[in-house]
Order: sequence, then C-alpha cells, then structure tokens
Amino acid sequence: EDQVTQSPEALRLQEGESSSLNCSYTVSGLRGLFWYRQDPGKGPEFLFTLYSAGEEKEKERLKATLTKKESFLHITAPKPEDSATYLCAVQAGTGNQFYFGTGTSLTVIP
Amino acid sequence: DADVTQTPRNRITKTGKRIMLECSQTKGHDRMYWYRQDPGLGLRLIYYSFDVKDINKGEISDGYSVSRQAQAKFSLSLESAIPNQTALYFCATSDTAGPDIQYFGAGTRLSVL
Repeated sequence: EDQVTQSPEALRLQEGESSSLNCSYTVSGLRGLFWYRQDPGKGPEFLFTLYSAGEEKEKERLKATLTKKESFLHITAPKPEDSATYLCAVQAGTGNQFYFGTGTSLTVIP
Repeated sequence: DADVTQTPRNRITKTGKRIMLECSQTKGHDRMYWYRQDPGLGLRLIYYSFDVKDINKGEISDGYSVSRQAQAKFSLSLESAIPNQTALYFCATSDTAGPDIQYFGAGTRLSVL
C-alpha cells in the first residue's frame, strides 16, 4: 500500500534554532515529491518539487533533499514567520495520483 | 482575486441534505482535484479531472459525486450528507505542462449535524 509518513507531528523551535522535518514514503513508481506550506485557514502553498535521489532545492531558509526512501526539509535559522504546517506529497502510480502525509506543525518562538 | 476560488467558505448542514461545493479557477489549468482534510489523516483525494470529459475516482470517492461544467469549474456534491463527511474540503488545479504543481483554494469548512 502506498504510504507517506511525516515526522515529527509537531516541532517547537527557538528563533535561530535549525532543524529538519522528515517525509518517508513507500510508493510504486514515484514521479515526484512535493513540499507544501499550509497556514491556518488557508490552502497549501507549493514550496518545492524533487524528482530523483540526490536532488536538492533551496528557497530562503528552507532546503529540501531527496533519497530513495525519504525527503528532508531543512530549516536554517528559522524565524517566527516560518511557523506553519509543512506537508509532503508524492505523485506515483499509473494514475499519477498524489498521496499526502499528515504534516508537521512547526512553531518558531521569538 | 484568488486564482482558485471555492464557495462557500463555510457551511453547516443537516444529515441527509444534498449539498454542493463549487470551485472555479482563472489559471487556465486543465487538471482539477477535490480533497478533504481531516485532523490526523491529512489530505485525501476524492475525485480528479484531467479535462472536461475526464473524471476519475480518488482514494475516497464513496458518498461523493463531481461535475466538470467547464475547464474552469469543478463541483463536488454530497448527495445525502452524513456526519463523518464533516471536514475541510480543498479544490486544487494543476497544469498539464511542466511539473505537476497543485494550486489550492482557501478551502470550504463543512459541518454535517
């Protein structure tokens, strides 16, 4: 069964305290792995797409990496405005469907 | 104005009622999706459509139906709402060209009493 698991469920960081979020997946025929940010009361907003093991993408304080089994979202020196829920999704299978993880709720304390 | 617009934003209904959630987009994308989001379960795909004549069931289509009225409009119906359909519903679109990035609406919060 195709599955996407994110950890931790929740993470509290002090401003400037770097950390990583994990997304592990077991799917057949991976076409891409996507990271989204979701703020309360809003829809998910696209951050990154990764397609192959070893690929990395960066945007401001965020860096996403991909291996054959998992992806990491590294947050360097976070700020309070980085507080949000971060969702991982994989596109896989013959129908190219998307499978989302349950997300990591990040809180950055000033 | 938002590129992906969902109406209504909030809805409270009673068990057994028929309800329709609407989604319209100005991004010119061919692909449209309906998801529901529940605490602890994440986003789950209900239906998706790759063009006006193409409708596909997702992971959890039972109890739901959809209509793709035009490239820009994709509606989700609950023929006879039940309490466990209480959730946050999202519409999303993506382009057939390039990476399959999905653009989400702001969501509809549905409560079935």
